[in-house]
Amino acid sequence: QSALTQPASVSGSPGQSITISCTGTSSDVGSYNLVSWYQQHPGKAPKLMIYEGSKRPSGVSNRFSGSKSGNTASLTISGLQAEDEADYYCCSYAGSSTYVVFGGGTKLTVL
Amino acid sequence: QVQLQESGPGLVKPSQTLSLTCTVSGGSISSGSYYWSWIRQPAGKGLEWIGRIYTSGSTNYNPSLKSRVTISVDTSKNQFSLKLSSVTAADTAVYYCARAPNHWYFDLWGRGTLVTVSS
Repeated sequence: QSALTQPASVSGSPGQSITISCTGTSSDVGSYNLVSWYQQHPGKAPKLMIYEGSKRPSGVSNRFSGSKSGNTASLTISGLQAEDEADYYCCSYAGSSTYVVFGGGTKLTVL
Repeated sequence: QVQLQESGPGLVKPSQTLSLTCTVSGGSISSGSYYWSWIRQPAGKGLEWIGRIYTSGSTNYNPSLKSRVTISVDTSKNQFSLKLSSVTAADTAVYYCARAPNHWYFDLWGRGTLVTVSS
């Protein structure tokens, strides 16, 4: 069982927006603005999409955005495209004992 | 540009020690304030952080694996390594090496290497 809870799957049509939630606790997501999001296509390595809650690395489309409210972080993808179909993982710093926790992953299907 | 590449045996027997190396190319492992991590992913499952090392040799480990994990760095070879002892079938996974800036996210990943634990 993963430390952070994500929905197993979400889906949307091209052009629509979807949001993936990532629920943690006051010991991880709720205490630090250090949530990151990763996109993983089948057979490929994860790719950083969002870091420190809402920052986008250079080269990542501005269709991807991150936010946080309380113990829940969210990844929003607007203007869905076929290439966005992938697994998405959230990750959070969890303090100086546990360090890093991941979510179980969410499979995004573009209909 | 900087690239990471994992290498090591693809098959390890139960109770033995898994050993992997990550080679950093296109840049020095010592440049910048980067931590170097190992992360694994069992087939069809999520990601699990194993641990990290700074080029000074300072390490942090996942508490659930700490008793079995050693991460080391060889700056002369631009490499860092993972040793996981007393492996079982539950340690079968794709193992990734990854780079983290001086914060807790991973901005660069290797392609991953599958390690199977089986007799």
